[in-house]
Amino acid sequence: EVQLVESGGGLIQPGGSLRLSCAASGFTVSSNYMNWVRQAPGKGLEWVSIIYSGGSTYYADSVKGRFTISRDNSKNTLYLQMDSLRAEDTAFYYCARSLPFDYWGQGTLVTVSS
Amino acid sequence: DIVMTQSPDSLAVSLGERATINCKSSQSVLYSSNNKNYLAWYQQKPGQPPKLLIYWASTRESGVPDRFSGSGSGTDFTLTISSLQAEDVAVYYCQQYYSTPPRYTFGQGTKLEIK
Repeated sequence: EVQLVESGGGLIQPGGSLRLSCAASGFTVSSNYMNWVRQAPGKGLEWVSIIYSGGSTYYADSVKGRFTISRDNSKNTLYLQMDSLRAEDTAFYYCARSLPFDYWGQGTLVTVSS
Repeated sequence: DIVMTQSPDSLAVSLGERATINCKSSQSVLYSSNNKNYLAWYQQKPGQPPKLLIYWASTRESGVPDRFSGSGSGTDFTLTISSLQAEDVAVYYCQQYYSTPPRYTFGQGTKLEIK
């Protein structure tokens, strides 16, 4: 059974850093396109980043230069390193598999506030 | 970036009646080399992550009831629920996955309620 479990969210001050994890089971992360998608509370969906099976990475303009997507093949886990966080980064962060996004995790909440 | 615009923003339909949600892209998401529309529909219920319903504009994901159907091509797309059930109350999003380099934009969402 395919499962995605995010962790690492929390309350962080503006300018701070946080690393999100997405532990996968039931499939191999490195063989799939993997994404991060976020949703501000009560708002719509925003695609954040993708890592291709070959390792290429892409980002939304809103996070380029501040966020880094990566994976650990030995742990079958996807990551999102978030630096220079801003209030507008406050959202639920979901990891999602493939393209289009056929499996999603339950999400982890990141709150950027002083 | 490709802008996805859904209409209406909210919709109230009686149980058993048809619900129709529209999605328009600012440029075509039809890839001519394979004649596929890079358009997906998702359903999100309160407190849950989104769920993939439809991809390639009209292909139902495994396990999705056949009352859900997708249609359209190029820039104009429709999600239809043929006979609304109580469990279909949700927000529905369209998404294009055509962009190169990737900028996989979503529509703003349509909230579907029971009348």
